[in-house]
Amino acid sequence: KQEVTQIPAALSVPEGENLVLNCSFTDSAIYNLQWFRQDPGKGLTSLLLIQSSQREQTSGRLNASLDKSSGRSTLYIAASQPGDSATYLCAVRGLSGNTPLVFGKGTRLSVIA
Amino acid sequence: GAVVSQHPSWVICKSGTSVKIECRSLDFQATTMFWYRQFPKQSLMLMATSNEGSKATYEQGVEKDKFLINHASLTLSTLTVTSAHPEDSSFYICSARDLRTGGGSNQPQHFGDGTRLSIL
Repeated sequence: KQEVTQIPAALSVPEGENLVLNCSFTDSAIYNLQWFRQDPGKGLTSLLLIQSSQREQTSGRLNASLDKSSGRSTLYIAASQPGDSATYLCAVRGLSGNTPLVFGKGTRLSVIA
Repeated sequence: GAVVSQHPSWVICKSGTSVKIECRSLDFQATTMFWYRQFPKQSLMLMATSNEGSKATYEQGVEKDKFLINHASLTLSTLTVTSAHPEDSSFYICSARDLRTGGGSNQPQHFGDGTRLSIL
């Protein structure tokens, strides 16, 4: 059964700092991997989706990498801002059929002004 | 882009009450709906998967008689928490996928904004 782990569980950084969030998964047979942002009490906002054949995706200050063979992904946030404060969730989708996304517990990020 | 509307966004009710949560796909047809539950500071845990016109498939440990799922149309799925108790208080999120459009199984999951359920 797929398990997704995110490290660290929480992170506090000063504004302007670059940071890396880590995600690992136990079963490397994935279709794709997705990073989401969740604000307190809110739903999910999709940030980046990486197909299994891809190595990375970029959107603005965000860069996500994928090393499927080692079961790892990282989310890099450049020049962090207080508005980046949220929980970041990593999720993977299996290969077989219409499988749902399996989520990690997330990393709670606080960017201090 | 694809939009999933979930209603209500927040509900508070007394123990023993049944609560219905609606999940609608506004601009696409959702052949598959997923229902997740999220406890504070925890991850989203899949509760069940429902395909339009079929019975839902529940994850291990999820009581199908307590969490009734109906997916009778391609744009609407409902989750009813029957005889809710305080331990059912949680954040419930639905997600929809349309397998019929071009791209087949490559279709992403689109998420609703969630429903915060508080049982007193």
